[in-house]
Amino acid sequence: DAGVTQSPTHLIKTRGQQVTLRCSPKSGHDTVSWYQQALGQGPQFIFQYYEEEERQRGNFPDRFSGHQFPNYSSELNVNALLLGDSALYLCASSLATGGSEKLFFGSGTQLSVL
Amino acid sequence: SQQGEEDPQALSIQEGENATMNCSYKTSINNLQWYRQNSGRGLVHLILIRSNEREKHSGRLRVTLDTSKKSSSLLITASRAADTASYFCATVMNTGFQKLVFGTGTRLLVSP
Repeated sequence: DAGVTQSPTHLIKTRGQQVTLRCSPKSGHDTVSWYQQALGQGPQFIFQYYEEEERQRGNFPDRFSGHQFPNYSSELNVNALLLGDSALYLCASSLATGGSEKLFFGSGTQLSVL
Repeated sequence: SQQGEEDPQALSIQEGENATMNCSYKTSINNLQWYRQNSGRGLVHLILIRSNEREKHSGRLRVTLDTSKKSSSLLITASRAADTASYFCATVMNTGFQKLVFGTGTRLLVSP
């Protein structure tokens, strides 16, 4: 049973560029959340997708957008990259119903913006 | 923004000793969860405690919750070198949305 998988593992971009990060949820999960973790900090919630729609959004600018596909996989897009976007981006999956409220995390994508 | 603070920021102990980490949060919650992170990679869920519970155990882990003080503690007993990691508390305000609000984390180093 595959867990949450994220790609790529590492990514280097320059300011102003655009980036797309990908996530496949744990088998059987239908909800995907994205978090940004700056060095030395706790993860911060970006947004959550369920039934191919953005269900919740954290305090992030519109440069951050996402998508969920019919197979529940998800993408995070960041436009007009800033140096401050350098961080570990974590994808987490869960099941919207069933009572379990714990999240399963992928290993993350380390994004460096130069 | 972070929900709250964790204390201490860093903790260094010897194998076999107990490790206690504290977490404070700001708003009313539905549940509080503890996660572990190795070397800045993915987080692993350790334990969940609901707002109507005061204490919970799982193996060598013991979690307490004091909603009147908006605080929680995680105790790891008989620590091992493999317990070396960062530990984060995370709160959920509204059940059904599974949005976690994380604390700042405690870095635990367990020396052999």
